[in-house]
Amino acid sequence: DQQVKQNSPSLSVQEGRISILNCDYTNSMFDYFLWYKKYPAEGPTFLISISSIKDKNEDGRFTVFLNKSAKHLSLHIVPSQPGDSAVYFCAEKGGKLTFGQGTILTVHP
Amino acid sequence: NAGVMQNPRHLVRRRGQEARLRCSPMKGHSHVYWYRQLPEEGLKFMVYLQKENIIDESGMPKERFSAEFPKEGPSILRIQQVVRGDSAAYFCASSPYKETTYNEQFFGPGTRLTVL
Repeated sequence: DQQVKQNSPSLSVQEGRISILNCDYTNSMFDYFLWYKKYPAEGPTFLISISSIKDKNEDGRFTVFLNKSAKHLSLHIVPSQPGDSAVYFCAEKGGKLTFGQGTILTVHP
Repeated sequence: NAGVMQNPRHLVRRRGQEARLRCSPMKGHSHVYWYRQLPEEGLKFMVYLQKENIIDESGMPKERFSAEFPKEGPSILRIQQVVRGDSAAYFCASSPYKETTYNEQFFGPGTRLTVL
């Protein structure tokens, strides 16, 4: 049973445009979400998080939106840069981390 | 200030052999987590340990897998009698405080296990 789902395996975006990565979850009790970025042959690195008491959190080019009624969160990257090309995982943290399957983002120059 | 270290980075074993994966947490961190990433999947939690204690092993397969985090030295994930299905990337993460919802985990680079 996949409690955190990323339904888009990949996303391709032009440099300078917006990247929108999506994530759905099933458990309404989940209350803290994170996005991780992963380059090949490296471990995941923390990017941004959001608590369920908020619906938006912004950090530079990265903004995470949380829609609790839809059990949906999204990561917006604006403007996208070639160095953002990586695998992005959303995760829920109610103790241990529960990860989605990941979305491969490719930003073309 | 070194990050989480894992070794070896790549490990090749034949079916039936044992695999030992090591994880040295960040300095000052006393909590270690192991995750496994199978091909085409996300990372899945395996086990959470403090020094000399297993706190949560709900993600560990029932047989052949064990983990420890001794008072001295690295955390070890041990897989006995490996099978092809054990081929995966194994990631270790550490955190400094008692596990809470808001406590960030820092990940190592992973060990890629290949079972021939």
